[in-house]
Amino acid sequence: EVQLVESGGGLVQPGGSLRLSCSASGFTFSRYWMTWVRQAPGKGLEWMANIKQGGIEKHYVDSARGRFTISRDDARSSLYLQMDSLRVEDTAIYYCAREATSSGGFDLWGQGTLVTVSS
Amino acid sequence: QSVLTQPPSASGTPGQRVTISCSGSSSNIGNHYVYWYQHLPGTAPKLLIYRNNERPSGVPDRFSGSKSGSSASLAISGLRSEDEADYYCVAWDDSPSGWVFGGGTKLTVL
Repeated sequence: EVQLVESGGGLVQPGGSLRLSCSASGFTFSRYWMTWVRQAPGKGLEWMANIKQGGIEKHYVDSARGRFTISRDDARSSLYLQMDSLRVEDTAIYYCAREATSSGGFDLWGQGTLVTVSS
Repeated sequence: QSVLTQPPSASGTPGQRVTISCSGSSSNIGNHYVYWYQHLPGTAPKLLIYRNNERPSGVPDRFSGSKSGSSASLAISGLRSEDEADYYCVAWDDSPSGWVFGGGTKLTVL
């Protein structure tokens, strides 16, 4: 089955760190750009970062640059988001998504993992 | 505040046609494709429209997209109760490089 499954969410204190994982199956992970998108409570979807095949190119939204690091392990078909210096406003559901190669856009999404930043 | 501007809400009755607008600039919509997503809270978002006006297989032809200059729109005809959801437009932005989302439009089927 073609799917993405996120894990690693949880409760963390402000200033803390968390590493999210996204496990891919059913397709050749190494052939795709991959993305992280989040949704804070009561807010809209917000793109956070993406990474090219092989990890040679990465892009970040301004609010994540310098605090979050996106990475991938193609041998394990896994995507990661290392989140440091977490803030209360980083509380959100974090989704990983696949960027379609031919048509563009995010054509496959995971179900999301909840990150709560609170003291 | 989102880079792409959408109305926060829209509504219609069953069978009606509704449109949702998305306004951007030359660095995003003006020079790149627009994508539309449907999102029900607690579920994975779904790609509705890619490359401005193309539908993935399985998306009904009641959904259509268009783009003109730095603006785009999503039209839903023959509105159904199951269309009640949040809708987002997305485009690549050159400055700084990254994807940008609209703020989302909550569609209510009356």
